[in-house]
Amino acid sequence: GAVVSQHPSWVICKSGTSVKIECRSLDFQATTMFWYRQFPKQSLMLMATSNEGSKATYEQGVEKDKFLINHASLTLSTLTVTSAHPEDSSFYICSDQREGGYEQFFGPGTRLTVL
Amino acid sequence: AQTVTQSQPEMSVQEAETVTLSCTYDTSESDYYLFWYKQPPSRQMILVIRQEAYKQQNATENRFSVNFQKAAKSFSLKISDSQLGDAAMYFCAYSLGGAGDMRFGAGTRLTVKP
Repeated sequence: GAVVSQHPSWVICKSGTSVKIECRSLDFQATTMFWYRQFPKQSLMLMATSNEGSKATYEQGVEKDKFLINHASLTLSTLTVTSAHPEDSSFYICSDQREGGYEQFFGPGTRLTVL
Repeated sequence: AQTVTQSQPEMSVQEAETVTLSCTYDTSESDYYLFWYKQPPSRQMILVIRQEAYKQQNATENRFSVNFQKAAKSFSLKISDSQLGDAAMYFCAYSLGGAGDMRFGAGTRLTVKP
């Protein structure tokens, strides 16, 4: 069964609004989770590393004030897209790390459409 | 910086035949991990196979096997007895492990013809 869940699976919002995406690690306490972005027919691009109890580490070119990450518990990380614009429309995928610290398990993804 | 290259944007195979997907990577590290992930139309990433760089033996998982050439920095995936359900995007990935992130190749879209 699934080991990482995401909610919602699909969200449509108006330009200028904020959207929160939840990523839950099931049956595992994940101190580290990752957020990826995937444009149509492209690969996964790492956006940030979410660390429980501390600030997230963002990849170069990712605006931390636009993509707010909170990892307040060992099973939940949230990604908030603030003041969303149509160019933020994408597929967002989270993952956690387990199995000796090198294998990642992925959530089912969230499709964000900004009108 | 570590990079992962998949030079085949698309591949096609006849059902029950064998197909090999290519992947090369660039790293200066000696210990790392390599993965092949499958992404079907549902877009759920599914781990197909993994390889620890310190292991010389090539990993196998049922119909899936890899040819890991550490010196050449090559990590190809062989799918034997291809099935219709194997049709998907396949991503090669690299990780240093620990709290390290994972880097993905551009992907190869595999089509299986009945």
